[in-house]
Amino acid sequence: DAKTTQPNSMESNEEEPVHLPCNHSTISGTDYIHWYRQLPSQGPEYVIHGLTSNVNNRMASLAIAEDRKSSTLILHRATLRDAAVYYCILKTSYDKVIFGPGTSLSVIP
Amino acid sequence: EAGVAQSPRYKIIEKRQSVAFWCNPISGHATLYWYQQILGQGPKLLIQFQNNGVVDDSQLPKDRFSAERLKGVDSTLKIQPAKLEDSAVYLCASSRRDEQFFGPGTRLTVL
Repeated sequence: DAKTTQPNSMESNEEEPVHLPCNHSTISGTDYIHWYRQLPSQGPEYVIHGLTSNVNNRMASLAIAEDRKSSTLILHRATLRDAAVYYCILKTSYDKVIFGPGTSLSVIP
Repeated sequence: EAGVAQSPRYKIIEKRQSVAFWCNPISGHATLYWYQQILGQGPKLLIQFQNNGVVDDSQLPKDRFSAERLKGVDSTLKIQPAKLEDSAVYLCASSRRDEQFFGPGTRLTVL
């Protein structure tokens, strides 16, 4: 199965933009890139997903490299509520989702 | 719409005992997943159902874990007998298309 690599942890100042990177060099043509986040003591929640083009929604933006071997989740203004573990996931054509260890984001007031 | 419901939220048992977890997915969601999340790790998929059929159970320890989804709606996950290493949060999720919705999880402690 295709895998992703992310930094173990990152820090951001409150109200600053945050760029969370993800490498997925073995991605296949039909894999979608999904991002989920998990707040403390909660189940993961969906953030955003995309295939080739950059995507925006109310929570974040997803920038996908032209070769699709990497992507970046962008939080435009980090708040304390954004402190969570962020997971970059490749969703196969058979709907199987494999979580990695994710990136633990700390937001500094 | 109501979210994914799970019960119990917490369970403490001794090793070699049995335990069962219940999940009620979001109405209309055909796909249901059970994950195991050990402290400090990402969730690991145990089993995936499409309606009441199993799509993937390759990571389910079948000698002690079992799961069923009767009538394609609610699901139960059972561990019998439990081991110390089964201490984890068990997450249920459901999906209709691209987005998975997770329940709050059941925190299991095996003593």
